Amino acid sequence: GNSVTQMEGPVTLSEEAFLTINCTYTATGYPSLFWYVQYPGEGLQLLLKATKADDKGSNKGFEATYRKETTSFHLEKGSVQVSDSAVYFCALNYPGGTDKLIFGTGTRLQVFP
Amino acid sequence: KAGVTQTPRYLIKTRGQQVTLSCSPISGHRSVSWYQQTPGQGLQFLFEYFSETQRNKGNFPGRFSGRQFSNSRSEMNVSTLELGDSALYLCASSPGTAISYEQYFGPGTRLTVT
Repeated sequence: GNSVTQMEGPVTLSEEAFLTINCTYTATGYPSLFWYVQYPGEGLQLLLKATKADDKGSNKGFEATYRKETTSFHLEKGSVQVSDSAVYFCALNYPGGTDKLIFGTGTRLQVFP
Repeated sequence: KAGVTQTPRYLIKTRGQQVTLSCSPISGHRSVSWYQQTPGQGLQFLFEYFSETQRNKGNFPGRFSGRQFSNSRSEMNVSTLELGDSALYLCASSPGTAISYEQYFGPGTRLTVT
């Protein structure tokens, strides 16, 4: 079946360090891919998305490229800030007919000054 | 535009009781989905409603049910509560059309079962 695998956390970085959070997926066809972020005590916020192979999603300095050949959608940011500390979820769905999202387990990012 | 709202934000119930959670989607959105978030199981899809019809359902027992009203507001109900039902319940809305990909989440209802 369809699934999403994320790297285990927590990821601990110093401010201004480079961030990579790995995400791979198993799915048939051509799903859409997403990164959501959850700050403490809040719901999920869409961070970025990509809807077809080789698309690059970007937002607030974060980027991820939809790589069909490696079934990956790794999240990157060149210089993290303390305010980026949160839990990041990779997810996929198949548009058209349903909004069901399949999530990875989430990766907690902790950024220290 | 107002975001997705969920009520109540916090709830404490006793085993065996039932509970109803409410979700108001973004104005104009016709699709509402529900998710359960727990430390052990992560985020799991419960069900999705579109134009008052259940469009998709996850792998949860029949104790979990939902409905959607003509104004797109949705409720979910859990009967005969168990300790394992303690979780954050998240609601998400979207336009629900075939070309819509973005879902917007509410802040969640934290349910504690004692």
